[in-house]
Amino acid sequence: AQTVTQSQPEMSVQEAETVTLSCTYDTSESDYYLFWYKQPPSRQMILVIRQEAYKQQNATENRFSVNFQKAAKSFSLKISDSQLGDAAMYFCAYRIGNAGNMLTFGGGTRLMVKP
Amino acid sequence: DAGVTQSPTHLIKTRGQQVTLRCSPKSGHDTVSWYQQALGQGPQFIFQYYEEEERQRGNFPDRFSGHQFPNYSSELNVNALLLGDSALYLCASSLSPGANVLTFGAGSRLTVL
Repeated sequence: AQTVTQSQPEMSVQEAETVTLSCTYDTSESDYYLFWYKQPPSRQMILVIRQEAYKQQNATENRFSVNFQKAAKSFSLKISDSQLGDAAMYFCAYRIGNAGNMLTFGGGTRLMVKP
Repeated sequence: DAGVTQSPTHLIKTRGQQVTLRCSPKSGHDTVSWYQQALGQGPQFIFQYYEEEERQRGNFPDRFSGHQFPNYSSELNVNALLLGDSALYLCASSLSPGANVLTFGAGSRLTVL
């Protein structure tokens, strides 16, 4: 079975600074996708960034970037120039290539942003 | 353009009762999935509906069932409620069963007493 582990229950960052959230996963599949979702207090999960396993280049979306280490099965999220609105729960998720909408989520990391 | 809408937002039931949660997908989406998110945990996949049929199912008992209607909206039914069914139930929709981008609703918070 595939598992996703987020080892940091809580992280804190000063506004305008950079923070990195960790995620490791376990799989024997070669075709898969990785995602980071943000869940603010409004409860709605919002896709932050995604990475296809077959792509060697790390995905980037504005202030958000990932460090995808396939051999180590690691997928960390870096948030640059942190803003107060970045405060939320962040979930790492994994999906096998042909698994439709079936995502496997980690336990989440709560990110606090200090003004 | 409305996103995914879910109802009700909150509800309270007692053990043994049955509950129905509803979801309207984002406009243009034809695939709906349901997730259960217990307090302090990540969401767990329940099942996915496409073309009015259950296509994939996670590790949930038969007490959890669903339906998709011709307009792509969906219902999640849970019978014989247990205390452990208390959770946030999230609905997600996508353009197709294999799409990479899911749009989530704000969820229905179920409390079982």
